[in-house]
Amino acid sequence: NAGVTQTPKFRVLKTGQSMTLLCAQDMNHEYMYWYRQDPGMGLRLIHYSVGEGTTAKGEVPDGYNVSRLKKQNFLLGLESAAPSQTSVYFCASRAITGVSPLHFGNGTRLTVT
Amino acid sequence: DAKTTQPPSMDCAEGRAANLPCNHSTISGNEYVYWYRQIHSQGPQYIIHGLKNNETNEMASLIITEDRKSSTLILPHATLRDTAVYYCIVRVANQAGTALIFGKGTTLSVSS
Repeated sequence: NAGVTQTPKFRVLKTGQSMTLLCAQDMNHEYMYWYRQDPGMGLRLIHYSVGEGTTAKGEVPDGYNVSRLKKQNFLLGLESAAPSQTSVYFCASRAITGVSPLHFGNGTRLTVT
Repeated sequence: DAKTTQPPSMDCAEGRAANLPCNHSTISGNEYVYWYRQIHSQGPQYIIHGLKNNETNEMASLIITEDRKSSTLILPHATLRDTAVYYCIVRVANQAGTALIFGKGTTLSVSS
């Protein structure tokens, strides 16, 4: 049982390049989330999904797209990376039960030059 | 979801109890209090949650005031490995699809 797995762990992009971050969970969780974390800012919600085929915007969705084609996977895409998107990205999932806690991956460290 | 207020930093001696406060004065009757922590470079880790009653598990205890406007996370015997950022969050448990909104948390430094 791996929990929540994020790939890649590290990535360096040039401005304007695109990439996709993958999040996979093996706990059969309905809900999945993408956060970004910047120094002194805490965790900010980018997008989330309440089930396969559904996504919704969070606090800071601009510049990102997401897809949830399979229940176990939640993809975060950057179509044209900008230096402001340099951050640590965390994926999380939780069960549909109301009080269930979030389970986080260990992050993807992205640098955009 | 109600907002929370936490001190930005706290210090604790190893072996002593660490008491981390959180103010959530606008909490609604159906909102739970959750605590997470984040050890450097890792993803956040769930610690404990509660609604009205005090709660205890293998990691910590959660004390919620009778009016529910504040709570305290207690690490009974802090170790160096408990050095982390601790987040207090309140949310409605049965609200479909809503995520936890993390603030800046409290940085707990445990020293020997």
